[in-house]
Amino acid sequence: DIVMTQTPLSSPVTLGQPASISCRSSQSLVYSDGNTYLSWLQQRPGQPPRLLIYKVSNRFSGVPDRFSGSGAGTDFTLKISRVEAEDVGVYYCMQATQFRTFGQGTKLEIK
Amino acid sequence: EVQLVESGGNLIQPGGSLRLSCAASGFSFSIYAMNWVRQAPGKGLEWVSYISSLGDAISYADSVKGRFSISRDNAKNSLYLQMNSLRAEDTAVYYCVRDDEGVGAHEDYWGQGTLVTVSS
Repeated sequence: DIVMTQTPLSSPVTLGQPASISCRSSQSLVYSDGNTYLSWLQQRPGQPPRLLIYKVSNRFSGVPDRFSGSGAGTDFTLKISRVEAEDVGVYYCMQATQFRTFGQGTKLEIK
Repeated sequence: EVQLVESGGNLIQPGGSLRLSCAASGFSFSIYAMNWVRQAPGKGLEWVSYISSLGDAISYADSVKGRFSISRDNAKNSLYLQMNSLRAEDTAVYYCVRDDEGVGAHEDYWGQGTLVTVSS
């Protein structure tokens, strides 16, 4: 099974400042079709998760451009260029290369 | 607008059975794969099961294999999860989740979830 490890698990950030979350997989997420099925999801308090980024760096419909994803192979990063109050919540990376596995989640909070 | 509405969650005793349903609307249900994902209280996300658009490919997490069964009725735009031999550790909010394999946007839309509580 592919294990997804996120760091940090908690990230206090000042409004307007950038934030970054890392995700590492226990094996390469490159699928046989050449795509890398790594997604990022946001879960605001009391809400279901919401897809932000798919296939490493593609922003999903309606997602603000302050969110960006990067990485390759086993190492991936979600960046928020300028954190806003509505960004508070838990962020998960998820691999869909081999079934599905989620990271433990990173709690983003405002300082 | 894509809508996924789960139902069927309840308080159930250990060893019991429950059937969850998910009503889909706002998209062509029959051409999308679907998943069930659960979240125990205060915990992270755990994938439970997957079913392809035609229902000919199915997979389960090891934690539920042999106890849970996923199915779909494309004529009724509905997804189901039959849960048998329930355990305390199955207590969670269960989400119905669409899977856009065509563009690789897996888990692109989520329902609000339905709570299953397994307790005596």
